[in-house]
Amino acid sequence: AQKVTQAQTEISVVEKEDVTLDCVYETRDTTYYLFWYKQPPSGELVFLIRRNSFDEQNEISGRYSWNFQKSTSSFNFTITASQVVDSAVYFCALSVHGSGNTGKLIFGQGTTLQVKP
Amino acid sequence: GAVVSQHPSWVICKSGTSVKIECRSLDFQATTMFWYRQFPKQSLMLMATSNEGSKATYEQGVEKDKFLINHASLTLSTLTVTSAHPEDSSFYICSASPLRTEAFFGQGTRLTVV
Repeated sequence: AQKVTQAQTEISVVEKEDVTLDCVYETRDTTYYLFWYKQPPSGELVFLIRRNSFDEQNEISGRYSWNFQKSTSSFNFTITASQVVDSAVYFCALSVHGSGNTGKLIFGQGTTLQVKP
Repeated sequence: GAVVSQHPSWVICKSGTSVKIECRSLDFQATTMFWYRQFPKQSLMLMATSNEGSKATYEQGVEKDKFLINHASLTLSTLTVTSAHPEDSSFYICSASPLRTEAFFGQGTRLTVV
């Protein structure tokens, strides 16, 4: 079975603190994609990153960084020097095995991040 | 990036009526689109896969006669909630992806059935 677990339901930090959002996934497929999306209160999903199963390099994009470890089936997301605008619900997602179309996703439960001024 | 447009953004309807939600890929063709539902403070759950020119594939537990999906062109999929009831009130969101890239999501539709 394929599953994504985000154990942290809610996280509250003070501005400028670093925060890590955890994501653990389960799949029997050897080829898969992992994603992180941000969902602000308006509801739309904002794409943050896609990572395929063969690329374990960590990635940094500005204040955002991702740590992909296949050995522990984890794809954690860190925000450095958090800002109030980072407040949102963050979803980790796994693409279901298919012909290469990565549109069919299994989402984790989401982590609500609140950054206080 | 690719743009997916969803309409309407929100809708309020009376119990027993039907509501149609549109999902369009504006700058790419999508033979496949996906419909998700999100209840308040919950995750997104895949409802169905919309296939251009053929029948949609529904996830287990989703009533195909209640949630009618039509994918008549390469840029448009519609979801019709038939005989809506208050328990159908939810946030519906569609996605599409140019092949082998990330999924792009529409803005979502907040449905309230009164």
